[in-house]
This record gives sequence, structure tokens and C-alpha cells, in this order.
Amino acid sequence: DAGVTQSPTHLIKTRGQQVTLRCSPISGHKSVSWYQQVLGQGPQFIFQYYEKEERGRGNFPDRFSARQFPNYSSELNVNALLLGDSALYLCASRLTGPTEAFFGQGTRLTVV
Amino acid sequence: GDSVTQMEGPVTLSEEAFLTINCTYTATGYPSLFWYVQYPGEGLQLLLKATKADDKGSNKGFEATYRKETTSFHLEKGSVQVSDSAVYFCALSDLRGGGADGLTFGKGTHLIIQP
Repeated sequence: DAGVTQSPTHLIKTRGQQVTLRCSPISGHKSVSWYQQVLGQGPQFIFQYYEKEERGRGNFPDRFSARQFPNYSSELNVNALLLGDSALYLCASRLTGPTEAFFGQGTRLTVV
Repeated sequence: GDSVTQMEGPVTLSEEAFLTINCTYTATGYPSLFWYVQYPGEGLQLLLKATKADDKGSNKGFEATYRKETTSFHLEKGSVQVSDSAVYFCALSDLRGGGADGLTFGKGTHLIIQP
């Protein structure tokens, strides 16, 4: 079975632009979460979606938004990019309950 | 809110040395605790987990015990190998604390094992 897949793997954007990152969860996993990992830090929780509904949101500005599709894949959108948005963006999928999260390889976003 | 504190790195050890990476947490509910490992250029991989007090998680020679009285989940390994060199993250998931179903991570500990 394929693991969590994310695309693209690397991305360079200019300040003020908008970006969309994509994630396909493990087959059968209905919960998808997004994390931002700044270099040298631990991942920070951005969003969690379950059954296409937002179930949780971390301490991120409204420039960050996400959605989940009927096939449980997900997109993370970031508007009006800032230099500080440069990071590795990780997607994780899991079954329900206190089960382990499986992470994708991430999308490396660089804002210049 | 929930938080995880783990020892600062880098931690440099010789091969076959004993490893301890300290992790303490603060949570409002009854968290599950995890250790994740990140090898260079790769995503996060679950190393081990414990879902209730006194549980011991173990995998690949690594162990950690959920200590509610000290709010700790220290990672240990009796004899490290060069291949264990990576960044280790302690994390919690507090599903019954009323918060989101997301993981709260520590800042990570970079482990370097020298031959």
C-alpha cells in the first residue's frame, strides 16, 4: 500500500503569492492533518480534517486554509505569502481515535 | 495549553553507549504519548507510543515509559548504533482535553552517534 503522498516536493514562491499544497492519505484513513515545520523546530499543528469537516485548527492566521475532498485527499492553501512561511509542510493521516499518525515526506516551501 | 519539553541537542555519543533523551509534557486531559524519528531528508516516522499511564512503548531497542506522576516520557536505548543518528521528537495527542486531534511536538533532539 502507498503511504501518505504529498505534492509537490519542493516549491519556490515570491512574497505575496498564493500556494496550494496537496496530500493523499493512506487508503482507508479519513483523518488528515497539516503541520508546519520551520527549520530546526518541531512540527506545529495547522489543521485537522475528518470526513471533510474541519475538526481542529492551530494558532495560524486566516491566510492559511484547507479543505478535504470526498476521496479524503486534502489541500492546504496559503495566501499572501510571507518570508516566514518558508518551511517544510507535512501532511499526516490516521484512523480515528488515539491511533498513530503516518506522515508524508513533506513539501519544502521557500518564499523569496 | 498542551506543551512538550525535550532536552536540547545536539547529543553526541559513541557507538554502543547508553542513550537517554528526556521529555516532559503538560496536558489538560489524558494524552497519548509518542516518539517520532526524522532521518535526514525524510519525513517523520513513528518510533513508539504509549496511550495510558505506566504503559511502556518499545521498538528497535528503544523504550519509553509513560510516567503520569512525573509527566514524563523519556526515551532510552541500551546500545546505540551509528544508524540511530537522526532527530527525535517527543509528541502528545490530547484527544479528551477538548482540543483538536492534532499532535503537539517538542522542538526535537538531534542525536549524533560516532563510530
